[in-house]
This record gives sequence, C-alpha cells and structure tokens, in this order.
Amino acid sequence: EPEVTQTPSHQVTQMGQEVILRCVPISNHLYFYWYRQILGQKVEFLVSFYNNEISEKSEIFDDQFSVERPDGSNFTLKIRSTKLEDSAMYFCASSEARTGGYGYTFGSGTRLTVV
Amino acid sequence: KNEVEQSPQNLTAQEGEFITINCSYSVGISALHWLQQHPGGGIVSLFMLSSGKKKHGRLIATINIQEKHSSLHITASHPRDSAVYICAVPTNFGNEKLTFGTGTRLTIIP
Repeated sequence: EPEVTQTPSHQVTQMGQEVILRCVPISNHLYFYWYRQILGQKVEFLVSFYNNEISEKSEIFDDQFSVERPDGSNFTLKIRSTKLEDSAMYFCASSEARTGGYGYTFGSGTRLTVV
Repeated sequence: KNEVEQSPQNLTAQEGEFITINCSYSVGISALHWLQQHPGGGIVSLFMLSSGKKKHGRLIATINIQEKHSSLHITASHPRDSAVYICAVPTNFGNEKLTFGTGTRLTIIP
C-alpha cells in the first residue's frame, strides 16, 4: 500500500538553529499538509499546499516557517530559527482530492526536540 | 468552524470486551476520519467514511450525518488494540484541512 514517508524520525536541535523536515507524499496525490502535535495536546493544522503554493495556513505558521516542493517528489517544512516551543511531533499528509479527503494518508511523523 | 468532541477520554477494558468510542462534530462534513496513534507517536488511518458503516477486521465505524455523530467499535478487543484513537473532520465543509479530536486512550488488559 502506498505510504507517505517522513525523515528523519527524530531530530534534536539547538534553539535558534534551522531545521528541515522532509516528506515524500504519495506520488499521484495533489494536496499536501503539515500538522503538528505538541506532547499531550491535539494534532493541529499548520499548512496546506496545492499546485506549488500554500492554499491555507494557520496562525501558528508564521514567518519562521516555510514549505517547499523542490523537486516534484519531496515536500519540506523548514523552521528558520527554532524555539523551545517548536518541540513537537510533525506529521506530513497527502490526499488525492480537496474534498472528501480521498486517500488522505499520514506519514509516521518526525519528533522534533529543541534544546 | 468545526468543533470535535470525543468520548470517553480514557477507556480501560478487559481483553475480549466490545469497545465503543464516540465522536461528535458541529458542522456538516464530506467525510470523517478515524485514526490510531500508538505510543511511538505515528498516526495510522483506520477509516474514512461519509455515510453508513465500514468494517475492517474487528473494527467497525459508523456515521450518522444527520446527528453529526460517529462511533468506532472494536469487537473481541485485544491488548494490541491499546492505543489512542482520534476522530478528525474537515474544519469547514468542502475544506481539506482537518480538525482533530483530543483522542480516546484505550487500554486493553489481558
């Protein structure tokens, strides 16, 4: 069964450093998403991406965050200058269609720890 | 904007018991997702449903669109079913981003 692949599975970084989280969505999917889950809290939406541009972003997704689809297969989330409160599990997801969530598939997540 | 409520928050049961987890939402939706999250943190999609009922092995998901309510059932529960079960719905009708419930932590005791 097709999978969404995320790397790395764990990342430890020092406060103020830049991190890039990587995702390979399912190849025929058109919509891409990043979500995050702070320990003990709900999963929350960060950003959605379609047709090589951001289609929607949450208030969490400020200027420190950016997303890119550099080569038609990878989908990356960059945090420019990490803060302690960025420590969380970050999930990538992709779907075939905008409505109905067809084929909505999650990656296994990247656990980011900022020290 | 959709609000999602799950119940119970925590559920402990003996192996073999029939399990029901409930999810209610406030805004009409195109589809509802049931997800499973294991202690390692990864999320696995169990079901996406827009009407009626779906079954996969010992898992059954039902949805009542008029009442804005869905249930996830587990028959003949097993310790390996222990996980957090999360309900998620589109934040707004016709929107692709999801709003998640707080999850139900299920523990099955042998």
